[in-house]
Amino acid sequence: DVKVTQSSRYLVKRTGEKVFLECVQDMDHENMFWYRQDPGLGLRLIYFSYDVKMKEKGDIPEGYSVSREKKERFSLILESASTNQTSMYLCASSTLEDAGRQPQHFGDGTRLSIL
Amino acid sequence: AQSVTQLGSHVSVSEGALVLLRCNYSSSVPPYLFWYVQYPNQGLQLLLKYTSAATLVKGINGFEAEFKKSETSFHLTKPSAHMSDAAEYFCAVSVDYKLSFGAGTTVTVRA
Repeated sequence: DVKVTQSSRYLVKRTGEKVFLECVQDMDHENMFWYRQDPGLGLRLIYFSYDVKMKEKGDIPEGYSVSREKKERFSLILESASTNQTSMYLCASSTLEDAGRQPQHFGDGTRLSIL
Repeated sequence: AQSVTQLGSHVSVSEGALVLLRCNYSSSVPPYLFWYVQYPNQGLQLLLKYTSAATLVKGINGFEAEFKKSETSFHLTKPSAHMSDAAEYFCAVSVDYKLSFGAGTTVTVRA
């Protein structure tokens, strides 16, 4: 089974802090994704990466950046955390095979609170 | 642009009753469609997917979904609800390897 591991289940930070969320997958997947989940809004894509050192903006990239130095690891960075970034953050990975037919595999999420 | 609409943010069913969750999509190309389930404090788990083969797709835990191109729908059903089906369900359409999600439907099962 594919395993996507997010480093923290719960995280509490203060406004203005630089926050790092880490994600590791063990299936050699090319694609990795970061989403945020808010009630009534579903999941919204922040950033994704289809290769090492490659990244593309999703629907809501403002206030975030990402880093992918190794194929298995994808980090989400909140440069200066704000209270409106309090949310559930989900990481996912998928293979490039089959032109998008393959599903994404998700981690358990990090519930981030910014005080 | 591709998008997904889930009708009904909350559905309440009795144990043993039919579960029906509605999903409509818009897509300019033949879509790849997915249903995911999220249990409390967990990530998303794949229930089933449609990738242009059979229009009736069977998934895990007794769920199935039917792709209807004429209605642009991909509704999820389960004949008999179980207490363990209480969760949030998301419909999604795949676009260039990215998923566009609906807002989700929370299912409550009454004993």
